[in-house]
Amino acid sequence: DGGITQSPKYLFRKEGQNVTLSCEQNLNHDAMYWYRQDPGQGLRLIYYSQIVNDFQKGDIAEGYSVSREKKESFPLTVTSAQKNPTAFYPCASSGQGAVGANVLTFGAGSRLTVL
Amino acid sequence: AQSVAQPEDQVNVAEGNPLTVKCTYSVSGNPYLFWYVQYPNRGLQFLLKYITGDNLVKGSYGFEAEFNKSQTSFHLKKPSALVSDSALYFCAVRDMGGGYQKVTFGTGTKLQVIP
Repeated sequence: DGGITQSPKYLFRKEGQNVTLSCEQNLNHDAMYWYRQDPGQGLRLIYYSQIVNDFQKGDIAEGYSVSREKKESFPLTVTSAQKNPTAFYPCASSGQGAVGANVLTFGAGSRLTVL
Repeated sequence: AQSVAQPEDQVNVAEGNPLTVKCTYSVSGNPYLFWYVQYPNRGLQFLLKYITGDNLVKGSYGFEAEFNKSQTSFHLKKPSALVSDSALYFCAVRDMGGGYQKVTFGTGTKLQVIP
């Protein structure tokens, strides 16, 4: 079955450490996205990529970095510069065309807790 | 700038009764509108969308939503609620304008269906 795989599902980090969250898709989608979900705040866009080797900042990119070396993969690094990284991080992708480009397919998410 | 408002943090409804989850939006042009659902400990799933055409849109699991341009609303409805409908529901909007247009999510409404 096609879908998005995120790992790890749960991650604990000490303050000052960088961590990388994995997002892999086998849907042949061009666009991929990273969101952050906090209680009562909905989903906020961190970074997005519409094509390999290209990505743009979203609304809350400070303290995060990404890469898009392969179409299937869009890893997110949460750096020590992110002041409040404890959150749930869903990754998403979307396809091409008038229909496909409009619907986001989400992974199960990664929950990061800073100790 | 585009925005979405979900005025209710939580909606409680008895099983078998009709349910409504409210959403209003603001965009500069014409909107694409979406509903997504997040079951406990799961990733977000697409429910339905409005692109163009009929104002009443039918989606998964018996849900439907009505696009009202004059009231800038896109309320989610179901004629008869099930306990299994209990989840977090997100409304989202994208401007139809050309080029990449990000999706803006509401803050979410928790639906609790009481047996």
